[in-house]
Amino acid sequence: DAKTTQPPSMDCAEGRAANLPCNHSTISGNEYVYWYRQIHSQGPQYIIHGLKNNETNEMASLIITEDRKSSTLILPHATLRDTAVYYCIVRGDDKIIFGKGTRLHILP
Amino acid sequence: GAGVSQSPRYKVAKRGQDVALRCDPISGHVSLFWYQQALGQGPEFLTYFQNEAQLDKSGLPSDRFFAERPEGSVSTLKIQRTQQEDSAVYLCASSFPSQPQHFGDGTRLSIL
Repeated sequence: DAKTTQPPSMDCAEGRAANLPCNHSTISGNEYVYWYRQIHSQGPQYIIHGLKNNETNEMASLIITEDRKSSTLILPHATLRDTAVYYCIVRGDDKIIFGKGTRLHILP
Repeated sequence: GAGVSQSPRYKVAKRGQDVALRCDPISGHVSLFWYQQALGQGPEFLTYFQNEAQLDKSGLPSDRFFAERPEGSVSTLKIQRTQQEDSAVYLCASSFPSQPQHFGDGTRLSIL
């Protein structure tokens, strides 16, 4: 079973920041938090990952709480192309266990 | 640059037929994974290779499913005596060990 809990869906206005929450209260010390997204009819796309420090790249920012039991993915300026299912994953070994993700709708 | 390539993109087969799905990983990637994604669900892990060695096949749903990667590069997922419940998108991913996985766009398999 997936070790994360995410809301099934969220809406965000175009141009605003999208903040996607994820709970992973049973995360172990050596497990990373990964985020992927899947646009319709495509394979999952890697976004970002982190262990305990906040991370930022050209796509997004990842904020991990100090106790590591939850995290937030931030898309700073959402566009219509960001409409997708976003998966938060806790990964300790090589295989990925996906949950159901959050379906993000960007509203024009 | 070349990403993970999967073929065919779509496959329709009659129940009982055998099918073979191909995955060309990113050049140099040691690790290769297969996932199955049913409609409306997240991908589910099937099997994992490191080079030519199949290190984990715990997700294969039955002995009708078989995967190979004989030269440590291209991989084939074979399904024998297909059944309707095998209808799904089959995703392949590759990576360097413990690095982010890069996914192909999958093969959509429909069993009639």
